Amino acid sequence: DTGVSQNPRHKITKRGQNVTFRCDPISEHNRLYWYRQTLGQGPEFLTYFQNEAQLEKSRLLSDRFSAERPKGSFSTLEIQRTEQGDSAMYLCASSLDAGVYGYTFGSGTRLTVV
Amino acid sequence: DQQVKQNSPSLSVQEGRISILNCDYTNSMFDYFLWYKKYPAEGPTFLISISSIKDKNEDGRFTVFLNKSAKHLSLHIVPSQPGDSAVYFCAASGIGANSKLTFGKGITLSVRP
Repeated sequence: DTGVSQNPRHKITKRGQNVTFRCDPISEHNRLYWYRQTLGQGPEFLTYFQNEAQLEKSRLLSDRFSAERPKGSFSTLEIQRTEQGDSAMYLCASSLDAGVYGYTFGSGTRLTVV
Repeated sequence: DQQVKQNSPSLSVQEGRISILNCDYTNSMFDYFLWYKKYPAEGPTFLISISSIKDKNEDGRFTVFLNKSAKHLSLHIVPSQPGDSAVYFCAASGIGANSKLTFGKGITLSVRP
């Protein structure tokens, strides 16, 4: 197992376009988290899944954002009608059960909206 | 509203000396605190943690101190090495928060050879 994998690593898109990111967690991890990090800030929680169920969503996650985790394996984060303010690093993390100890982050997807 | 604050954006220390990274928090419901290290183009990597029932946790060159009354924690790195140069994030989690982490803005540590 090579850890948490995120694709693509970089994405440049025009304003108004839709984008989708993928996260492949560590295989035995049942929890999956999405965070967003903008320049000069720490990561901010967006949403998390336990298996295939999305259990919490942040206020930061507007209606243009949707996340899925079909079959409790990989997850996708889609942003519709992208805005320049969506430009950020999108980080995925996974863990086994509820422990914060075993949080493993991926390398992130850097989104630039032009 | 920044619930986890890292007020110093950067710190520069000489190799071999002690690095002290500070973090303050405002939410009394936080009960678990963590430090993450981040290199450019990589995700954050867990470094060390401390539960609110403790005031100190040590792991090799890294020690985290927690002062609950002051809502303050600090990370000590002794001795500092050039490979420690990175961005360090303080993070906190609360009871029943489903392991959601609240991060500070980070501090950039530079260790001079």
